Amino acid sequence: AQTVTQSQPEMSVQEAETVTLSCTYDTSESDYYLFWYKQPPSRQMILVIRQEAYKQQNATENRFSVNFQKAAKSFSLKISDSQLGDAAMYFCAYRSAPFLEGIQGAQKLVFGQGTRLTINP
Amino acid sequence: DGGITQSPKYLFRKEGQNVTLSCEQNLNHDAMYWYRQDPGQGLRLIYYSQIVNDFQKGDIAEGYSVSREKKESFPLTVTSAQKNPTAFYLCASLGRGGLTGELFFGEGSRLTVL
Repeated sequence: AQTVTQSQPEMSVQEAETVTLSCTYDTSESDYYLFWYKQPPSRQMILVIRQEAYKQQNATENRFSVNFQKAAKSFSLKISDSQLGDAAMYFCAYRSAPFLEGIQGAQKLVFGQGTRLTINP
Repeated sequence: DGGITQSPKYLFRKEGQNVTLSCEQNLNHDAMYWYRQDPGQGLRLIYYSQIVNDFQKGDIAEGYSVSREKKESFPLTVTSAQKNPTAFYLCASLGRGGLTGELFFGEGSRLTVL
């Protein structure tokens, strides 16, 4: 079974600075998706960024980027120019690739424990 | 607008009572999921359903039950057998063959047992 580990329960950063959240995972599959979700105080889960494992290029969405190291099974999230609205719980998640969808359970998302990010003004 | 609706948002229950949380989606998604969220433990999968009239246990299914009679609906019943039901519950859905691959979430339901 796949597992996802976030080793930083809490992180803080000064507004406008850069912060990196860590995530490692364990899998025997060769193709999969990785995600970072944000959960603000409203508790609504919001997708921040996704990475397909077959793509070597790191995904980027505006101020958010990832460092995907497939061999090391590492998937860190970098937030540049941190803003007060970035304060939230951040969850790393793993999902098997779509070609496995016919296999029971392959569509499950496995989540890490989360990292609470605080932005200091 | 398409999305996932969970109700109620807040629910209080006395010990020994069953309670049902509603989850409805109009995204035409095949797969639906229930997750439980506790502080410091991330999201844990309770049940999931990949198609109507079929569902599977997740990692923490004991004390819970579900049904999937319609594609749009996936209600979760928290039974009196669940020893520690106070938690935040999230429903999610996924479209088959979706290019994006991610789950879409509802706004959650907070259950408190008095």
